Amino acid sequence: GENVEQHPSTLSVQEGDSAVIKCTYSDSASNYFPWYKQELGKRPQLIIDIRSNVGEKKDQRIAVTLNKTAKHFSLHITETQPEDSAVYFCAARGGNTGNQFYFGTGTSLTVIP
Amino acid sequence: NAGVTQTPKFRILKIGQSMTLQCTQDMNHNYMYWYRQDPGMGLKLIYYSVGAGITDKGEVPNGYNVSRSTTEDFPLRLELAAPSQTSVYFCASSRLGTNFEAFFGQGTRLTVV
Repeated sequence: GENVEQHPSTLSVQEGDSAVIKCTYSDSASNYFPWYKQELGKRPQLIIDIRSNVGEKKDQRIAVTLNKTAKHFSLHITETQPEDSAVYFCAARGGNTGNQFYFGTGTSLTVIP
Repeated sequence: NAGVTQTPKFRILKIGQSMTLQCTQDMNHNYMYWYRQDPGMGLKLIYYSVGAGITDKGEVPNGYNVSRSTTEDFPLRLELAAPSQTSVYFCASSRLGTNFEAFFGQGTRLTVV
């Protein structure tokens, strides 16, 4: 099955700086890569996603890049704010039926005011 | 629009007891999933379903069972609860097709003592 690795596990940045979280995946058949934000005690919520036929996608302060050849994708958050503090999960959709979501182990981001 | 609804939110079980975690979605999604979230371990897929009457094992199915008699409902059954099943459980659903995100319920925090 698919294996998604995520780094770093924790990340602290000063407010206004950028944050980058990186993920790799193993199954070349995976074709959809969402990123979720989970605040303490809450459910994961989608913040941005990218499909396999796209190399980069941007939505205001967040962007995702995908390198299918190298099988890695990254989340970039610019001009970080304290409310960006949360756990971020990357995921790859694939599996034997193409319907399963496999998640990374999460990155705990702390933005220091 | 309620989305994905899970009950209960919290539960304490004694070793050997059984229980059913309820999940229902009102978005007419074909795909439904059960994940467990352990600290620092991300989200692990327990079972998933691609439609009514069809279920399949995920990464960590042992000790659990599911059924999918309707499009809306996807209950997760724990038989003979063990301390290793202490976790936060999330139900999720997704639209038909491989390029759509998963929507999560609010989670069930289960403690087995």
